Amino acid sequence: GAGVSQSPRYKVAKRGQDVALRCDPISGHVSLFWYQQALGQGPEFLTYFQNEAQLDKSGLPSDRFFAERPEGSVSTLKIQRTQQEDSAVYLCASSLGQGNSPLHFGNGTRLTVT
Amino acid sequence: AQKVTQAQTEISVVEKEDVTLDCVYETRDTTYYLFWYKQPPSGELVFLIRRNSFDEQNEISGRYSWNFQKSTSSFNFTITASQVVDSAVYFCALSRKGGSNYKLTFGKGTLLTVNP
Repeated sequence: GAGVSQSPRYKVAKRGQDVALRCDPISGHVSLFWYQQALGQGPEFLTYFQNEAQLDKSGLPSDRFFAERPEGSVSTLKIQRTQQEDSAVYLCASSLGQGNSPLHFGNGTRLTVT
Repeated sequence: AQKVTQAQTEISVVEKEDVTLDCVYETRDTTYYLFWYKQPPSGELVFLIRRNSFDEQNEISGRYSWNFQKSTSSFNFTITASQVVDSAVYFCALSRKGGSNYKLTFGKGTLLTVNP
């Protein structure tokens, strides 16, 4: 009965470093989403996977952001050459992928770029 | 473009008071979904409700109730007899209907503090 698991819980990176954030969705969940939540703001959509296919990446803010889900389960969000404006909480969510299934969110990874 | 406005940035009440959180949305879609999520200090977004744009019937779940009014593009959330455990940030969100892509558009959230 585990929920969506994200690691690490906190990440501090120096500007210019690459980071990789991991998401373990609920077993059997077809759909997976990444959202970015800046301090004091609502989450903003980054990208969406259905199984291993990345069907929507319209929210990725720049080509420094890259997401993958090679086997249709675990997903990784990678940020290259981090900038201070990348500091935010990165939320992962999954769902069964059917029309009536709600999103289940993880606790997020808080990224701080110094 | 879709937009969700939560005009109340912060609300503070005393336990047992009723409190209403406002949500106004904008969309050009004729069919859509509306949501409320709760975000406690732990950071996880907890799903509270999803409402289909065709269904304007108000809903009650325990101490929670929702008032959806399409004419005013509002989807307000009321907590009756508030409790300290209700303290959290509450987000209203909007998505297009259809398919499995829940590309949610969130409001900025309302921080609710319930004092003992």
